Amino acid sequence: DSGVTQTPKHLITATGQRVTLRCSPRSGDLSVYWYQQSLDQGLQFLIQYYNGEERAKGNILERFSAQQFPDLHSELNLSSLELGDSALYFCASSASRGGGRIEDTQYFGPGTRLTVL
Amino acid sequence: DAKTTQPNSMESNEEEPVHLPCNHSTISGTDYIHWYRQLPSQGPEYVIHGLTSNVNNRMASLAIAEDRKSSTLILHRATLRDAAVYYCILRDKKKSSGDKLTFGTGTRLAVRP
Repeated sequence: DSGVTQTPKHLITATGQRVTLRCSPRSGDLSVYWYQQSLDQGLQFLIQYYNGEERAKGNILERFSAQQFPDLHSELNLSSLELGDSALYFCASSASRGGGRIEDTQYFGPGTRLTVL
Repeated sequence: DAKTTQPNSMESNEEEPVHLPCNHSTISGTDYIHWYRQLPSQGPEYVIHGLTSNVNNRMASLAIAEDRKSSTLILHRATLRDAAVYYCILRDKKKSSGDKLTFGTGTRLAVRP
């Protein structure tokens, strides 16, 4: 158990809809990262928040947005969903803003499996 | 970003050592070498990391070439639970504008009983 929790575990919805994925980081971790894993693209970084502020952005679509709240939990909002958005969405947390040291290790949650029909 | 190259798949017998190679010929002096693995139906998990010297922890050992252009993750006695995709990732030790993990395709390790 990494200490990172994600809800819901599974989500099935229709094209054009909007969903919200939730992540609670490990206790004390200030950074939250979102990743998308699909069969054709592999694991891809979407966005990072550090202590409530956006810190880095990856290949995140304009239809997607995220935020980190004062209690440090984060939400990933996906709107105008398309079939191609079906994927596993992982949240990770770390103690720091970034870097390669042991204290910068990212801990991943179990993921949310999104299916768009 | 510096790139890593790993074999797509490897097989091992249970209770035998496994050596998972990674090439990173364009590594910079400030890049740490990290390994993560993803067990079936789970999120990735940290395995080990190093900068220049070989490293050991309870999960594995990491052997780093002298020129740092390659490294090898060593599982000393593979178990069925070690069947996973193993990712070799370079991470800059400087705290720049965030620090995403850039996952390649990794090596899918199968462990035979």
